[in-house]
Amino acid sequence: DAKTTQPPSMDCAEGRAANLPCNHSTISGNEYVYWYRQIHSQGPQYIIHGLKNNETNEMASLIITEDRKSSTLILPHATLRDTAVYYCIAPDDKIIFGKGTRLHILP
Amino acid sequence: DAGVIQSPRHEVTEMGQEVTLRCKPISGHNSLFWYRQTMMRGLELLIYFNNNVPIDDSGMPEDRFSAKMPNASFSTLKIQPSEPRDSAVYFCASRLAGGPPYEQYFGPGTRLTVT
Repeated sequence: DAKTTQPPSMDCAEGRAANLPCNHSTISGNEYVYWYRQIHSQGPQYIIHGLKNNETNEMASLIITEDRKSSTLILPHATLRDTAVYYCIAPDDKIIFGKGTRLHILP
Repeated sequence: DAGVIQSPRHEVTEMGQEVTLRCKPISGHNSLFWYRQTMMRGLELLIYFNNNVPIDDSGMPEDRFSAKMPNASFSTLKIQPSEPRDSAVYFCASRLAGGPPYEQYFGPGTRLTVT
């Protein structure tokens, strides 16, 4: 697995866009970037994944830099329900969750 | 779809007792995963099945742990005998056949406390 680095915590005002960064400078050419989140007392929830191109779904957008060494998960209009730990992973043969970013949405 | 279903949601047992955790994957998903999460070690993959066949059990801590998948809609994780260090939240996850390998859908977990 490529090592990923995320800030331990972030704050975002409710209604604003939450931009969560992730560095994965050792990612190989065929490794995807996946994002999950874990809301307190719940199981991890898949959000989105990508390889090279930017991706968007009903939950979020994923912006991957051209050199693929970093990416940003964007929650366009954060709500209190988006308070969670967000994990960026680049799995090789299995998912390994690091410490992630604890996102606090401020009312 | 109801999502991945796990039972029980909470289990408290005494050291030495047998514990059985149950999982029903999402219908149509052909891969099933068992994970364990603790504060100290984070989320760890214990074992996963493809088409009901165990593929990788290298994460199973020791012989006290065993997992079965008798059919596509049911799996169990058994701990016998249980020990206090087994206390954790155990998650089951499933994946759609032919879908992205790491797009997994997790259940709500079983919180196990061994006293």
